[in-house]
Amino acid sequence: NAGVTQTPKFQVLKTGQSMTLQCAQDMNHNSMYWYRQDPGMGLRLIYYSASEGTTDKGEVPNGYNVSRLNKREFSLRLESAAPSQTSVYFCASSDRDSDYTFGSGTRLTVV
Amino acid sequence: QKEVEQNSGPLSVPEGAIASLNCTYSDRGSQSFFWYRQYSGKSPELIMFIYSNGDKEDGRFTAQLNKASQYVSLLIRDSQPSDSATYLCAVTGKAAGNKLTFGGGTRVLVKP
Repeated sequence: NAGVTQTPKFQVLKTGQSMTLQCAQDMNHNSMYWYRQDPGMGLRLIYYSASEGTTDKGEVPNGYNVSRLNKREFSLRLESAAPSQTSVYFCASSDRDSDYTFGSGTRLTVV
Repeated sequence: QKEVEQNSGPLSVPEGAIASLNCTYSDRGSQSFFWYRQYSGKSPELIMFIYSNGDKEDGRFTAQLNKASQYVSLLIRDSQPSDSATYLCAVTGKAAGNKLTFGGGTRVLVKP
C-alpha cells in the first residue's frame, strides 16, 4: 500500500541512550518532514527536507539530527535521549502543501 | 504568542447540531489553510484546505477564511458521534514553503 512507513511504532529508552527513527515513503514525494506531538501542543516541526540532499531545521531541532538517505528515506536520530523528548513522532511527505501524508507515528518514552 | 491559536476545548455538541471551530494565525503572509482531523492514537488526516477569502464547502464541512482578520473556521453540520476527534488547524506561508505550522488542536465531543 502506498504511504509513509515509520519504524518502530513504540520505543522506551533510558536517559542518555541513542536511537534512530526510520521513515520511508513510496509516493515519490520530494519533501519529507519530522514532527513531534505533545499533549495540547499540536504538531511541531523538528526538521524537514525539501528535496533529496537537503535538510533544514524546523521549530524544535535541538537534540535531534536527520539524514535524507535517498528520495524515499528520511531518518531522525536522538544522540542522547532526554525525558523532554518523550513524545509522539510523526513523519510526513508531500509534493504540495495540500498532499501531506503522515506516517502512523512512533510513541517514544524516555525514562 | 503562538503562530496558530486554537481553543483546546473540549467542544461538546449534541448529535445533529453544528460544531463551530475557530483558528487564528499571526503571520499575515500565510497563504494556505488546512483543517486536519485526528482520532486518538492515530495520525492526522486532511479534511479541507482553503486558499481564498470566503467559504468552501465539502459535504458536511465548511471552511471559512478571513485574511483581513486572520482567522479561519470550520463548521461541521449535522454532527455525528464519529466526528468526535481533535481538529487541527494548520497554515503555510510564502516564506515557509510547504511547511505546515499547526495549532494545538480543538477536541470535539459529539454526544448522542
